[in-house]
Amino acid sequence: GENVEQHPSTLSVQEGDSAVIKCTYSDSASNYFPWYKQELGKRPQLIIDIRSNVGEKKDQRIAVTLNKTAKHFSLHITETQPEDSAVYFCAASKGGGGSEKLVFGKGTKLTVNP
Amino acid sequence: NAGVTQTPKFQVLKTGQSMTLQCAQDMNHEYMSWYRQDPGMGLRLIHYSVGAGITDQGEVPNGYNVSRSTTEDFPLRLLSAAPSQTSVYFCASKTGQQQYFGPGTRLTVT
Repeated sequence: GENVEQHPSTLSVQEGDSAVIKCTYSDSASNYFPWYKQELGKRPQLIIDIRSNVGEKKDQRIAVTLNKTAKHFSLHITETQPEDSAVYFCAASKGGGGSEKLVFGKGTKLTVNP
Repeated sequence: NAGVTQTPKFQVLKTGQSMTLQCAQDMNHEYMSWYRQDPGMGLRLIHYSVGAGITDQGEVPNGYNVSRSTTEDFPLRLLSAAPSQTSVYFCASKTGQQQYFGPGTRLTVT
């Protein structure tokens, strides 16, 4: 089955710097790659996702890139702010009918220092 | 829409007790799932359902039962709680590929 590995497990940056979190997946049939943000004591929230027919997607300060050949995808956060501090999870799934499982990475704890 | 709801928010059980964690969604999503979240372990899939009457095991199903009699509800049952089941439990539902989580239940087994 699918296996998703996420690095680093912790990341500390200064406010205003960029942060990059990387994930690799094992199943070349996977075609959907979401990123979730989980603030302390809250539920994971979907922040951005990408499908395998595109290589990059941006939403304001957040971007995700996908390299299907290498089977890895990354989350990029620019101009980080203290409110970006959270745990971020990547995930992967395949198919499009809605019955496929999402497989999650183990998470990255991002700390943005003022 | 209320989205995905879970009850209770917090629960303390003694070893050997049983209980049911409730999960409901009002978005008419066919796919629902249960995860447990432990420090450093990420989100691990317990059970999932692709529609009413259909359930299947995830990565860590032992000690948990589920049923899906309606599209809206997907309860998780602990038949005989153990300290190893102390965790935060999240229910989720999805339409297509986008998955949404409930607020979670923090369970402590003493």
